[in-house]
Amino acid sequence: NAGVTQTPKFQVLKTGQSMTLQCAQDMNHEYMSWYRQDPGMGLRLIHYSVGAGITDQGEVPNGYNVSRSTTEDFPLRLLSAAPSQTSVYFCASSYSPDRGAEQYFGPGTRLTVT
Amino acid sequence: GQQVMQIPQYQHVQEGEDFTTYCNSSTTLSNIQWYKQRPGGHPVFLIQLVKSGEVKKQKRLTFQFGEAKKNSSLHITATQTTDVGTYFCAGENAGGTSYGKLTFGQGTILTVHP
Repeated sequence: NAGVTQTPKFQVLKTGQSMTLQCAQDMNHEYMSWYRQDPGMGLRLIHYSVGAGITDQGEVPNGYNVSRSTTEDFPLRLLSAAPSQTSVYFCASSYSPDRGAEQYFGPGTRLTVT
Repeated sequence: GQQVMQIPQYQHVQEGEDFTTYCNSSTTLSNIQWYKQRPGGHPVFLIQLVKSGEVKKQKRLTFQFGEAKKNSSLHITATQTTDVGTYFCAGENAGGTSYGKLTFGQGTILTVHP
C-alpha cells in the first residue's frame, strides 16, 4: 500500500491564482481531512469528510473548497490564493469516523504564495 | 470553540535527560492522541488514550490521561538523539458529532544535544 499520497510536494503561486492540491489513499479509509501547519500554531483543520459525498468545514475553511466523489480521493482547492495561505498542507485519513481512529498523514505540500 | 494548549513550546535537553510535555484542553475529551513529527516530515501516530486516568507506556515513553479527561502528558525517560522532533497532542471533543475531528495542540519542539 502506498498509504496517503499528496501532490505536488512544493508549489509557488502568485496572489489570485487558483490550484488544487491532490490527496489520495489506498487503505479504503472512510475519514479524510486537510490540515494546514504554520509555525507555532500546530495543525489546524481546514475541511474533512466522513465518506464519499459528505464534507464539512473545520476550523479554518475560508478560501478553500473540497469535494469527495470517491472514497480514495479528497482534493483541496484554493480559489484565489493569498499570501496568508502560505503554509504546509497535510492530508490525513483514518479507518472510520468513529471516535478515536488514528490518523495517517501524507507527506505534505509546501505552498508559497507571493 | 475547543482549545488545546500544549507546553512548553520548546525544550532543549542533553542526551540522557528526561523530557515532559503537557497538554490541556478547554473542554472534556473523549480521547487524546499523541503524534511525533520529525524535522521535515509528517506527523506519525504514537498512541491513543481513552479512559480517565489511563497510563500507557511505550519503551521509554509514558503517556497519561487526566482523571477529568481534560489534560494529558508525555514523558520521555533518558532522551536519545532519535527523540528529536515535534510532539503534538490532539484531542477529540466529548459529545456532539465531532467524529474524528481532532484539535491539535501547538506542539513541543524537542532538541537533544549529544
